[in-house]
Parts: sequence; C-alpha cells; structure tokens
Amino acid sequence: DTEVTQTPKHLVMGMTNKKSLKCEQHMGHRAMYWYKQKAKKPPELMFVYSYEKLSINESVPSRFSPECPNSSLLNLHLHALQPEDSALYLCASSQRGPQGYTFGSGTRLTVV
Amino acid sequence: EDQVTQSPEALRLQEGESSSLNCSYTVSGLRGLFWYRQDPGKGPEFLFTLYSAGEEKEKERLKATLTKKESFLHITAPKPEDSATYLCAVQGGSNNDMRFGAGTRLTVKP
Repeated sequence: DTEVTQTPKHLVMGMTNKKSLKCEQHMGHRAMYWYKQKAKKPPELMFVYSYEKLSINESVPSRFSPECPNSSLLNLHLHALQPEDSALYLCASSQRGPQGYTFGSGTRLTVV
Repeated sequence: EDQVTQSPEALRLQEGESSSLNCSYTVSGLRGLFWYRQDPGKGPEFLFTLYSAGEEKEKERLKATLTKKESFLHITAPKPEDSATYLCAVQGGSNNDMRFGAGTRLTVKP
C-alpha cells in the first residue's frame, strides 16, 4: 500500500458545527503532516507529528485540533470555523529525514 | 528564514516545445530539494529529491538539476498530459519541515 487516504473528499460545514477530517497510511511512515492550501497558493504547513507526538505547530488557531491515535492515523478536529478557513486540507506522510512526502488527495472544506 | 521562489508563475508551451522551470532557494544547511506535480483539486505528487549541488534526476520527459542557489526542472518535448502545477520545496535549517514555493502553472497545448 503506497497511498495516503483522506476522508471525506468534500465537506460543507456551518460555523457552529464540529467535524473531523481523517487520514490513514500503511506505509510504515513515522511522520505525518497536515497542510492547508488555498486556491492557486502553495501548501502551508499546519502540524507535524513525529512518532505520534506533535513536534511542530505552526501557530494554528485553536479551532483546529490535531490528533494522532496511532502511527497509521491522523485526525484534524474542526470547531467553530470561519468562512476564511475554506480550503483544501492535505495530509501527508514520510519517513523522518530528508525524504519526499506522500500526499493524500485532500479534503475540500467549505465553511458556510 | 527559508525562502523558495519559483519562476515563471505560469508557462504556456506548444506540444513538443522544450523549456525549463526555475526554483531559487535560500536555506541554511540544505537537507533536500524536492519537486512535486499537482493537478487541480488533488494532492501534490512527489517527483524528485535532490540532495547536493551537481546532482541530476530524470523521469520520462522531466529532468531536475541542482546548484547551490537554484534548481531547474527541464521538460523535454512536453505533452498535454504534462499540464499541471509544478511545486518546488526545500527542507533544511533548524526545522525538518518542508517549505514550498508558489509553483509554476504549466499548460501544454496540442
């Protein structure tokens, strides 16, 4: 298995909703990442987990809450989002060290 | 702070018209430079990793090269299916995370 699987592919949520994005990989990668990407912009790093521990948090608002239940799963919990949070949310994984990342296809999030 | 600058922002080519994309970078202690391809609405697809100046990697019509200040992605005889956004990223300095450039949107017309 050489894929990163993200669910759901599309999500529409209201500003008072609570939802979660899920990411799964079975490549034995010990680093997992959440990126946010706006249209025609590069991916922006949000969180990095290394060996299931949060190692980098790029000053992301607390309405985004990451969770890494085990080495294969990564969640992003969403609460009280704003319309400007609408974006493509990408999950990626890699071995530690200077290795290329394997990205999922993303979750297209729309906040209404 | 790490910086990655890609040029041009957009490039339109005729099928078979070879060209190059540029990625200039500033990073202390480069650990790796990466090229990705991204199709609309999809996640980036990993293409190459370059680790040191002088290194070259090839894959089908694509060839990536690296100097101490920049990297080039050469596209030889492109086809319409090569149309995509090509992203450059660097890893190095005090962080291990990957920093992306803004990308080059390539369109290849038949």
